[in-house]
Amino acid sequence: DAGVTQSPTHLIKTRGQQVTLRCSPKSGHDTVSWYQQALGQGPQFIFQYYEEEERQRGNFPDRFSGHQFPNYSSELNVNALLLGDSALYLCASSIDRIGTDTQYFGPGTRLTVL
Amino acid sequence: ILNVEQSPQSLHVQEGDSTNFTCSFPSSNFYALHWYRWETAKSPEALFVMTLNGDEKKKGRISATLNTKEGYSYLYIKGSQPEDSATYLCALSGSARQLTFGSGTQLTVLP
Repeated sequence: DAGVTQSPTHLIKTRGQQVTLRCSPKSGHDTVSWYQQALGQGPQFIFQYYEEEERQRGNFPDRFSGHQFPNYSSELNVNALLLGDSALYLCASSIDRIGTDTQYFGPGTRLTVL
Repeated sequence: ILNVEQSPQSLHVQEGDSTNFTCSFPSSNFYALHWYRWETAKSPEALFVMTLNGDEKKKGRISATLNTKEGYSYLYIKGSQPEDSATYLCALSGSARQLTFGSGTQLTVLP
């Protein structure tokens, strides 16, 4: 089992550009969540996808959007990049179950916005 | 809204020392408390999930307890080793299924 994989590992963009990050969940998992980790902080929830729909959303602007595919993989898109979007973006997968389900994380994509 | 505080922010201990750190939360309105270990350049690794007041979990030299009435969880490491050096994250999960994380405790074990 390859676990949760993310691509790319690192990415450098300039302000105003758009970026797409990708995530493949752990085998057997149907739910994908995305988190942003800024320096010195814990991961912050962006949104969660289940059955190809956004089910929950954190306090992030509409510039952040996503998609889940029939094979449960997911993409995170960020439009009109700002310097403050520089962060580590983590993807986590889980099995749909309220509350106690463990989320398994990928290694993250480091996004730098210049 | 779930709030999670972790202390201390960072910690240096000598190899062989035992240590513990705290996760505190003002409200017990959550489904589960999660502990993760996050080593540099790796994925956060799930350590424990606890749901009930008084829960205790153990994995090798690491153990955790949960006290929902007083709003805290402790993570203990017995006989710290250099490979225990990592950031330890505490998170709460509620009905919304998302994880709400604390800022973590960065542990450095000196040989």
